[in-house]
Amino acid sequence: GQQVMQIPQYQHVQEGEDFTTYCNSSTTLSNIQWYKQRPGGHPVFLIQLVKSGEVKKQKRLTFQFGEAKKNSSLHITATQTTDVGTYFCAGLSGNTPLVFGKGTRLSVIA
Amino acid sequence: DSGVTQTPKHLITATGQRVTLRCSPRSGDLSVYWYQQSLDQGLQFLIQYYNGEERAKGNILERFSAQQFPDLHSELNLSSLELGDSALYFCASSTGQEDQPQHFGDGTRLSIL
Repeated sequence: GQQVMQIPQYQHVQEGEDFTTYCNSSTTLSNIQWYKQRPGGHPVFLIQLVKSGEVKKQKRLTFQFGEAKKNSSLHITATQTTDVGTYFCAGLSGNTPLVFGKGTRLSVIA
Repeated sequence: DSGVTQTPKHLITATGQRVTLRCSPRSGDLSVYWYQQSLDQGLQFLIQYYNGEERAKGNILERFSAQQFPDLHSELNLSSLELGDSALYFCASSTGQEDQPQHFGDGTRLSIL
């Protein structure tokens, strides 16, 4: 079945450093969604990418969808302590429900 | 506030017991999803219901079952509980179109003693 892999599993950064998490799917995706889960919280939808090569920005967050629609990345510029949490990508392929990656847990050291 | 309500927030029980987790979706959403999240694990998809009917099944154990009622709320039943079933159980809802975002509840933390 479809698999979605995310790397790294953990990332510790100093406040102000950049952060990137990568997501790779075993199959071509029709869309990819990103979610953020704060410690002790629930996943919250951030954004959805649909088009090949699509790039979307939300303030310091930049999301990319690969040309082959099998990979995606989330880049955070100049991390802040409010960015702490686990970032999940979730891929949609065919009529099956979203498949979530295991997430990247981001720690920001002030 | 996501609009998705899960009860109870916490549940402590013993091995071999049976529990029921409840979820009320966002107003207007027809689909309900159940996920299990264990420590340091991602979101394991268990099952999806759409407008009362089972739509998709994931890694759900035979000891677990779910249903969605006419008013669209859903229940997840876990029976013959084992220590390994201790986890955070999330419910999410969406409009039903798979390309739409899922909105998660706060989860039920289940602890098996």
